[in-house]
Amino acid sequence: EVQLLESGGGLVQPGGSLRLSCAASGFTFSNYAMSWVRQAPGQGLEWVSFISGSGGTTYSADSVKGRFTISRDNSKNTLYLQMNSLRAEDTAVYYCAKDLEQYSASPTGAMDYWGQGTLVTVSS
Amino acid sequence: QSALTQPASVSGSPGQSITISCTGTSSDVGGYNYVSWYQQHPGKAPKLMIYDVSNRPSGVSNRFSGSKSGNTASLTISGLQAEDEADYYCSSYTTSVTQVFGTGTKVTVL
Repeated sequence: EVQLLESGGGLVQPGGSLRLSCAASGFTFSNYAMSWVRQAPGQGLEWVSFISGSGGTTYSADSVKGRFTISRDNSKNTLYLQMNSLRAEDTAVYYCAKDLEQYSASPTGAMDYWGQGTLVTVSS
Repeated sequence: QSALTQPASVSGSPGQSITISCTGTSSDVGGYNYVSWYQQHPGKAPKLMIYDVSNRPSGVSNRFSGSKSGNTASLTISGLQAEDEADYYCSSYTTSVTQVFGTGTKVTVL
């Protein structure tokens, strides 16, 4: 059974940093690209970042470029999102999601398994 | 990258069919066959319902179907059921090698 379990969310002050983790199980982690998607309270979904199965290719939304870094450790079956220079508008539930197809090289958008989400609140 | 445009709400009676539109540009929806649709119930993670415009993942009811014409993609739910009441989001690949979601549509079963 595929499982994705996010952790690392919490309350952080503006300008601060936080690292999210997503522990994966039930599939061959290194074969699948992964993404982070966020949802501000009461708002819609926003794609954040994508990383290929090998970790060699990453893409990010303009809203987080230069501040957030996506990475993965395939030996630990874990996906990460390092978030720096956090702003109030980064407040959201952050989901990790697995690509439907193996060996994706770009964020085509078909994500078949999602974690339960972890809440990040940026406030003083 | 601006969010794709969806109607804020769509409603229908049980058994009816409804269609949700998703309008983008030639740089996203119109340029690629990489449109997906997600269903999200309150407090839950999104669920993939359609990918690559019209393909259904294993386990998704065939009451859900997708299509595309020009810069507009559509999700049709036939034989509407109470359990279909949820928020629905489209998403598309873009020329900037990013992904963009739609504004979301609340489906109400009357």
